[in-house]
Amino acid sequence: GAVVSQHPSRVICKSGTSVKIECRSLDFQATTMFWYRQFPKQSLMLMATSNEGSKATYEQGVEKDKFLINHASLTLSTLTVTSAHPEDSSFYICSARVGGSTEAFFGQGTRLTVV
Amino acid sequence: AQRVTQPEKLLSVFKGAPVELKCNYSYSGSPELFWYVQYSRQRLQLLLRHISRESIKGFTADLNKGETSFHLKKPFAQEEDSAMYYCALSGHNQGGKLIFGQGTELSVKP
Repeated sequence: GAVVSQHPSRVICKSGTSVKIECRSLDFQATTMFWYRQFPKQSLMLMATSNEGSKATYEQGVEKDKFLINHASLTLSTLTVTSAHPEDSSFYICSARVGGSTEAFFGQGTRLTVV
Repeated sequence: AQRVTQPEKLLSVFKGAPVELKCNYSYSGSPELFWYVQYSRQRLQLLLRHISRESIKGFTADLNKGETSFHLKKPFAQEEDSAMYYCALSGHNQGGKLIFGQGTELSVKP
């Protein structure tokens, strides 16, 4: 099956710094990837749709200058949390679809802790 | 507005008992509905989708457009079914993005 890999799995950063999370499709090309945020014991909230070669589409209420998304190739999308604050601490998950399929494959997630 | 509602945060049953995880949705068009499962310490994975009309690991789900529901059912729960279950919706022409319900934790006791 299709594999989506996120790196790092866990990251701790100081308040005010930026952190980059990578999402890679290992065995398929993904023109579209999705970034979600999950709070403990809560649902996944869609943050943005990452489109290869073009600007990301952000959901309402998500600060695009705060959460920078770059999708420079068909196998890699990155999410950069800029000037991180403790309230940005969360579990970030990416997903990608294979071709025209409606099935989404998810990364293992990245636990971000801002101290 | 698009919305997926899972009314139960936690569902606890004994092994061998029937299970029904509820999911209701709100969408103006014809959505595609999914159930995703997340086992402990594992990533989210697709369990089943309404267009497939298949049974996976003994689970089935029928889309009821009149009641706007997509409940997940299994006649005899197993301990290995214990996990978080998420109902999700994908709208037509929305590029595949998913709207998730709040999730239901299923706990199957021996």
